[in-house]
Amino acid sequence: GQNIDQPTEMTATEGAIVQINCTYQTSGFNGLFWYQQHAGEAPTFLSYNVLDGLEEKGRFSSFLSRSKGYSYLLLKELQMKDSASYLCAVLDSNYQLIWGAGTKLIIKP
Amino acid sequence: EADIYQTPRYLVIGTGKKITLECSQTMGHDKMYWYQQDPGMELHLIHYSYGVNSTEKGDLSSESTVSRIRTEHFPLTLESARPSHTSQYLCASSASGEAGELFFGEGSRLTVL
Repeated sequence: GQNIDQPTEMTATEGAIVQINCTYQTSGFNGLFWYQQHAGEAPTFLSYNVLDGLEEKGRFSSFLSRSKGYSYLLLKELQMKDSASYLCAVLDSNYQLIWGAGTKLIIKP
Repeated sequence: EADIYQTPRYLVIGTGKKITLECSQTMGHDKMYWYQQDPGMELHLIHYSYGVNSTEKGDLSSESTVSRIRTEHFPLTLESARPSHTSQYLCASSASGEAGELFFGEGSRLTVL
């Protein structure tokens, strides 16, 4: 079966750095995506990796290792507004997104 | 700024009622999707469409139906609502060749009594 695993919840301090991990087992791979979802709102696209390595986008970076079935999202200089759920999703061989359950990130002052 | 709209945002109805959740996008996207999401849980794909007159069922068994008569419009209909249908319904769209970058509407939160 297809499976995406990420931690249920993480806590970090304002101004710090946090890394959210995602491991996946899917039928085929056509890219890995990270989305941010604030409570009660819809997900919004953050980043996309299809090749191994690090993609940087301002305070957010995403890393991919296809051989290990592993990705992480790195958030730097954390702000209170970064409190949200972060969803990892993989585009499978049928070009359908397989979603993880999300990691709820709690930022403390 | 994404231009995809859902109505109603909130709906409380009784068991057995027929409802339609509306979704419209002004981006000209060919692909549209309906997801169901319960709090703290992953998104489940209910239906999707790759263009006008194209509709497919997703991996979540559902008693709902969809139609795609116009590119911009992708309504979801429940013929007879049940309490088990209580959930958040999210509509999304994506451009051709951008299957993983979805733009979501604000969602329709349905409560069936």
